Amino acid sequence: AQSVTQLGSHVSVSEGALVLLRCNYSSSVPPYLFWYVQYPNQGLQLLLKYTSAATLVKGINGFEAEFKKSETSFHLTKPSAHMSDAAEYFCAVSSPTGNQFYFGTGTSLTVIP
Amino acid sequence: IAGITQAPTSQILAAGRRMTLRCTQDMRHNAMYWYRQDLGLGLRLIHYSNTAGTTGKGEVPDGYSVSRANTDDFPLTLASAVPSQTSVYFCASSVDRGYNEQFFGPGTRLTVL
Repeated sequence: AQSVTQLGSHVSVSEGALVLLRCNYSSSVPPYLFWYVQYPNQGLQLLLKYTSAATLVKGINGFEAEFKKSETSFHLTKPSAHMSDAAEYFCAVSSPTGNQFYFGTGTSLTVIP
Repeated sequence: IAGITQAPTSQILAAGRRMTLRCTQDMRHNAMYWYRQDLGLGLRLIHYSNTAGTTGKGEVPDGYSVSRANTDDFPLTLASAVPSQTSVYFCASSVDRGYNEQFFGPGTRLTVL
């Protein structure tokens, strides 16, 4: 069965500091992994996805994530946080059939001016 | 460009009542999904549809039913609402099942008393 675990339900960073949001996955087969962002009172938007083409995936708004099979991780990073990055971030994995999606419990990012 | 619309935006419902949440997309996507979002639990898949005329069960289908009579509409019905179904419900769609980006609607906030 597929699942993802997000470490840290709340992360605070100073504006301009590195953003690191952690996601570990569990999958019996090579996974398809996603990061989504949710701004207050909105639906989710795709930040980036891993589909085995490259281990370092670049997404929108300066975010990127690296797939590390040995660590079963897919952590999300951004070199310099902006105030506009404050939001809820979700890691997700799809089942091999592509019918089921499993989201993590989310990490709320606060950016301190 | 509307994308995905959901109705109603919010609803307060007495336990035992029947309720249908509406979802319409104008992107001609084949796959559609219903999720519920609960604090601390992230998003959980309720039902999905890979194409018009077919539906499948997600992670938490009990108490919910769906239909997919055409490409654009994917209503979610609570036959007899219970307080544990209090949640925010998101509809999503993607070009096809699996590994494609999902586009999310704005959500419906449902309270069952």
